[in-house]
This record gives sequence, C-alpha cells and structure tokens, in this order.
Amino acid sequence: DTEVTQTPKHLVMGMTNKKSLKCEQHMGHRAMYWYKQKAKKPPELMFVYSYEKLSINESVPSRFSPECPNSSLLNLHLHALQPEDSALYLCASSQEKQGADTQYFGPGTRLTVL
Amino acid sequence: GEDVEQSLFLSVREGDSSVINCTYTDSSSTYLYWYKQEPGAGLQLLTYIFSNMDMKQDQRLTVLLNKKDKHLSLRIADTQTGDSAIYFCARPNSGYALNFGKGTSLLVTP
Repeated sequence: DTEVTQTPKHLVMGMTNKKSLKCEQHMGHRAMYWYKQKAKKPPELMFVYSYEKLSINESVPSRFSPECPNSSLLNLHLHALQPEDSALYLCASSQEKQGADTQYFGPGTRLTVL
Repeated sequence: GEDVEQSLFLSVREGDSSVINCTYTDSSSTYLYWYKQEPGAGLQLLTYIFSNMDMKQDQRLTVLLNKKDKHLSLRIADTQTGDSAIYFCARPNSGYALNFGKGTSLLVTP
C-alpha cells in the first residue's frame, strides 16, 4: 500500500482564521514533506521532517507552522494567511531523507483564503 | 536555465502513442521520476528509472534514458482519454527536495 491521505480535501478560510491540514501515512516512511502548488506550476517544497524532526524549512513565512506528532502524522497549522497563500497543499512521504528515495504524494488540500 | 525542462503541451489522438520529453542538467541523480497529475488531484507516481538503466517498460509505459544527452522520455502506448493529465519529470537534488520540470499537459482527443 503506497497511500498518503490528507484532510480536508477543500478548505476555505478567512485571513483571521486558524486552521490545520492533516496528513497520514502507514508505510513506515520516516521522511515526510509539505509542498505548495500554485495553478499550472510544479510543486514547491516547504518543509521536510526526518525521523519526526524538522530538517528543512524553505524560508516559509511563520504563518505556516508544521508539526509532526509521530512517525505517521504530519500537520500544517495555518494562521493569519493571505489570499496569495491560496493553493494546493501536498503532503508526501519517503523511506529516508535525502532524496534518493521515492516520494509518494497525497491527494492534496485545496486551500482558498478569502 | 532550469535544471529540469519539459515541453509544455502535447496533443494526441486516442489510440496513438504519446512521447513526453524531459532534459536535465545535473547528472548526479540516482533516480529519475515521472509523476502524473489529473485535474484537481495530487501527484501519482507513474514510474521511475535508475540512472544505470537505459530503458524501463511497465505495461503501456516505456521510459528511455540517454545519459550522454541528459534526456529522459516517457512513451505511452495506445493513449486513452484517461491519460489526459499533466506529466512531471523530476529528479532528487542533493538535499531532500525533488526538482520538477514545469510539467507537460497531455490532451488526448477522441
């Protein structure tokens, strides 16, 4: 099974709201990723967790706050977002860090910020 | 220039073969990947090829790798309307991320 699940599928929020995106995998993968994808563009890496520790933060604004409660779960907490943050947020996982391992993506959360 | 480059659009008739091309500049990658993204969906891993291989076939999909020219291609035989999607070529960089091409939009017409 190579499934990564994400909830919710769609999210609409105002600029003053606080919300969270959730991602789960049960493949025993130890690296998990958040990507942001704007329309008609490739995904852009935001964060990488390796063995439940934050390994990479690609200069993402602090209004995005990742959390990895355990090896199967990855959250992205959202607060005071801007309309330009509207995008598809993709979670991925792989067996190890550092990129020779195949990344499996979830279906994404379509976020709209009003 | 970009590390990974792809043509942006391809249109084929149903039943024909599709060939999507990709070029890259850094030859240090161990793997090269093809992902498929249908409208409104996430990325589905289609196939990958290890850098010491020249070709990999998986049912209707054939991947060709020319390491000398740093050229990767994905051939889809007997293309169906359900193959209409965006196809991303990707390679791991020295860190954690995948370097993606801009994606090729494949349109299959009846």
